[in-house]
Amino acid sequence: IVMTQSPDSLAVSLGERATINCKSGQSLLSNSNKKNYLAWYQQKPGQPPKLLIYWASTRESGVPDRFTGSGSGTDFTLTISSLQAEDVAVYYCQQYYSTVSITFGQGTRLEIK
Amino acid sequence: QVQLQESGPGLVKPSETLSLTCSVSGGSIIEGGHYWTWIRQHPGKGLEWIGYIYHSGSTSYTPSLRSRVTISVDTSKNQFSLMLTSVTAADAAVYYCARVKHLTSRVFDIWGQGTVVTVSS
Repeated sequence: IVMTQSPDSLAVSLGERATINCKSGQSLLSNSNKKNYLAWYQQKPGQPPKLLIYWASTRESGVPDRFTGSGSGTDFTLTISSLQAEDVAVYYCQQYYSTVSITFGQGTRLEIK
Repeated sequence: QVQLQESGPGLVKPSETLSLTCSVSGGSIIEGGHYWTWIRQHPGKGLEWIGYIYHSGSTSYTPSLRSRVTISVDTSKNQFSLMLTSVTAADAAVYYCARVKHLTSRVFDIWGQGTVVTVSS
């Protein structure tokens, strides 16, 4: 399943809202459990990725509530409600719907304007 | 608190086999129902899932690498390993090991710091 993120890069002022989009090549919504098999990660320079969101909208333990995941089917969004300096990173979406393979988006680089 | 640490040669010759090990500390590799995975990241690029393993030895690999990849587990050492045969320059990357949060939610909640692998003669 191909995952496409937009934009590739984004510059937002501190305290403003940042929105990152992710589109999947097929629906990630399961008919059986009504869950979307979509996760979001944050990767800062020189560090491994950090899990932020899974099931499209479930925040991982310890993740600040300014990070919100939304969407269903093929279109998903990660929103940072009030950008902090420490949020500068590359963000990736990941699908885990496919039983054949797990795939990631190409990443979105978030910077401070 | 579970921690993961990759180890292995940082330099591999073309056509040879890349071998890496992930050591799990702070918890048992056989507890919690977790799978254990390898993911790589080419320089300046995105993330590529390689495959995962359960402590029983059950595995799943990404189709594009399936013919060259073997992931194995050593429960006595609390480790799991990656072997990638016939490497080329395209296999140069940062290799991460990680824990799969749960088989139904195949997301990766704990990661190692990563190890850089260069392919060169």
